Amino acid sequence: SQQGEEDPQALSIQEGENATMNCSYKTSINNLQWYRQNSGRGLVHLILIRSNEREKHSGRLRVTLDTSKKSSSLLITASRAADTASYFCAHNAGNMLTFGGGTRLMVKP
Amino acid sequence: ETGVTQSPTHLIKTRGQQVTLRCSSQSGHNTVSWYQQALGQGPQFIFQYYREEENGRGNFPPRFSGLQFPNYSSELNVNALELDDSALYLCASSLGGQGASRSYNSPLHFGNGTRLTVT
Repeated sequence: SQQGEEDPQALSIQEGENATMNCSYKTSINNLQWYRQNSGRGLVHLILIRSNEREKHSGRLRVTLDTSKKSSSLLITASRAADTASYFCAHNAGNMLTFGGGTRLMVKP
Repeated sequence: ETGVTQSPTHLIKTRGQQVTLRCSSQSGHNTVSWYQQALGQGPQFIFQYYREEENGRGNFPPRFSGLQFPNYSSELNVNALELDDSALYLCASSLGGQGASRSYNSPLHFGNGTRLTVT
């Protein structure tokens, strides 16, 4: 079973809008990572935020981490049709990276 | 830089059979992790290998076993296949060891997976 939960499970927006996905977890973590998966393919690493960081940016991506609430969010600004994919958060508490159930994002042109 | 490659891409097996999936890690990476991803769900951790030894295991029965070779490539073996084993099996390599900081903060590089169907 997943040890992390993502919200929403599915999100549909228009091109140019921003997309926000949230992630919660239950244990102490060393870091939290976000990955993207196009249908039927492997996951691609997007961004890693350490437990002592609160916010991180990478291009159109902005990730926040609140360890007191055990939650993180991923913001994709100015979305494009090519951003259509599933997005997963994963937290690292040792050797194992535990993934959430994912958010399926559809960006309509 | 060579990425992670997995073979075969698709496989159909019958319940009770055995299967071996293969993974070549990204050059320079010494750690391999295997994940099972059921349709519409997130990946579930099976186990991790570092320097040819199992270095962590998820909640999977012993009929799931693995190997890592001196060149850091890896195999996942599943015995006595069950219908619920039908899934996408993902291999991911990373740079582990040499201190906690390097291991814990190393992102995973995934292959495109093997789609296993058990009938």
